[in-house]
Order: sequence, then C-alpha cells, then structure tokens
Amino acid sequence: EAQVTQNPRYLITVTGKKLTVTCSQNMNHEYMSWYRQDPGLGLRQIYYSMNVEVTDKGDVPEGYKVSRKEKRNFPLILESPSPNQTSLYFCASSFPTLGGGTGELFFGEGSRLTVL
Amino acid sequence: SQQGEEDPQALSIQEGENATMNCSYKTSINNLQWYRQNSGRGLVHLILIRSNEREKHSGRLRVTLDTSKKSSSLLITASRAADTASYFCATALIGYSTLTFGKGTMLLVSP
Repeated sequence: EAQVTQNPRYLITVTGKKLTVTCSQNMNHEYMSWYRQDPGLGLRQIYYSMNVEVTDKGDVPEGYKVSRKEKRNFPLILESPSPNQTSLYFCASSFPTLGGGTGELFFGEGSRLTVL
Repeated sequence: SQQGEEDPQALSIQEGENATMNCSYKTSINNLQWYRQNSGRGLVHLILIRSNEREKHSGRLRVTLDTSKKSSSLLITASRAADTASYFCATALIGYSTLTFGKGTMLLVSP
C-alpha cells in the first residue's frame, strides 16, 4: 500500500530536549516536504527536498533541521524544542508534474507534538 | 508566505445541498490543487487543475480556474454528512518547486 509514515504520532516533551520525527514514503517520490499546522494559520511549510541531498527552507524553517540521505526518508529534527513549536506536523511526498510544479501530495497522518 | 485564501472560512449546509468554496491567489501558478482534511488527520488530494485548464470534474466535485481573476472554486454537489471536513486550496507557483496552502474552509454538512 502506497503510504507516507510518520513517527511518533504523538509526543510530549520538554523544552530543550532534542527530538526527531521520522518520515518514510514507499512510492519512490523525489519530492518530500514538512508542514506544520496551527489553528488559524493553516499549513505552513517548514522544509522541503527535491531529491536526495537537496533540501531547501520553506516559510518557517527556524528551529528545525532536515536531512535527505535516502530517497525514502526525510526526518525532521528539533535540536532544542521550544513551546512555540507545539503543533501538528505533516510530512508529504510527491512526483513533480510533467508541466512543472509540484504534483499531487501524499500526506502522512500527522505527528502531534507538545513542548512543555 | 501564504498564497491562497479560501472563502468562506466556514460553511454550514444540509445534506443534499451544494457546497461552493472559493480560493483566491496572488501570483501566477503552474497548477492549483484542492485537498480535504478530516478532523486533524492527514490531507487527502482531491483534484489538480493546471493553469491552462478551466474546469475539471471528479465524481461530485467540480473545480473551476480563472487565471485572469486569480481564483478557483470547488463545488461539491449533493453534499453528504461524510463530506464534513476542512477543504484547502494549494498553489504551485511558477518558478518554485513547492506547494503553498491556504487556511482552509471548514464545511459542516448536517443530516
């Protein structure tokens, strides 16, 4: 089954304790992305990756790191989490469209993170 | 920066009625996409419409795109309670390799 898998789905942590949210896709997609969703703000892009070893900042990259060492995996790293990073996080992947631009995104089920 | 803006923010209708949601955007696009999200779950892709297309259909969904007005609409015909969800438009901008989402329209369909 084609899917994007995120772990953990739920996490409560404390300020400053490094954590990693993993994301894996089994569709051989080149493009992967992380979004955060907050009430009233919609989805905002954190980082994205066009392919292995190619990553770029989205709209809200501060406080986050990513890496793309393998095509299927795109982990999101919070080196020193703070309460303002409490949010619902989504990983997504896609192929690019033939005419250019990002194609249909496949989303994971989300990771709800609380930083105390 | 957020590109698309959905309107209305919330919509409440009865089963069987049609639901129309609109999306406006600011700069030229490669394509525009609509997604659905059920209560905090992952978004699900509904339709992709390219900048050279004016209308697309998928089952009970009809999407239109007016590039001169920089707007799109999503029509759900004969709504069902199961259509209750948030609906987002997302734009793929020319020259950018990313997808930017609006804040969504919350649709409530009452039995």
